[in-house]
Amino acid sequence: RKEVEQDPGPFNVPEGATVAFNCTYSNSASQSFFWYRQDCRKEPKLLMSVYSSGNEDGRFTAQLNRASQYISLLIRDSKLSDSATYLCVVNKIGGKLIFGQGTELSVKP
Amino acid sequence: GAGVSQSPRYKVAKRGQDVALRCDPISGHVSLFWYQQALGQGPEFLTYFQNEAQLDKSGLPSDRFFAERPEGSVSTLKIQRTQQEDSAVYLCATRAARDRPYEQYFGPGTRLTVT
Repeated sequence: RKEVEQDPGPFNVPEGATVAFNCTYSNSASQSFFWYRQDCRKEPKLLMSVYSSGNEDGRFTAQLNRASQYISLLIRDSKLSDSATYLCVVNKIGGKLIFGQGTELSVKP
Repeated sequence: GAGVSQSPRYKVAKRGQDVALRCDPISGHVSLFWYQQALGQGPEFLTYFQNEAQLDKSGLPSDRFFAERPEGSVSTLKIQRTQQEDSAVYLCATRAARDRPYEQYFGPGTRLTVT
């Protein structure tokens, strides 16, 4: 079983839709949590950090549930430019990042 | 540019050849990470340097993989006797010691194809 698991998708949604991605992690010693975005044939880029209190950045909301070892990302009013792969990421002691498989999102006009 | 750079961007190697992949970090970033990303998968950790010290190499898949960072700046990932299963994108990421300590900045990667 992988340490970080995501539904690989693809998620195909129309513009304006709300879409939610879920992720689970297995190591309770994990320190911090992130969502990265990766465009096709590009490098991953940090989208947002994830906190237990929940955090919002514009149309994006991330949530962490440490008890359930569950991380979520909600995208509201999706845009064509949101089409990408979204990677759930856990930071381990020492700094190495453990990535999920990624969830592919395709937003259609 | 001020970002992480990697070279070459693309490398085709015949099975059995040795390859060397280079990473130039953001100036002043003390931590440097190498990841391997197979098609359709998320990146997987290979190894980590703090300055010139290799603190974690637990992700290197075999003793054919070797990484170094002799002066604490540029790093090289070397793969000896390449095999087809080594085909992947190799990503380098660096992190500043203080500012936003958990954020890693990725280079564009080197796409290695072993034929």
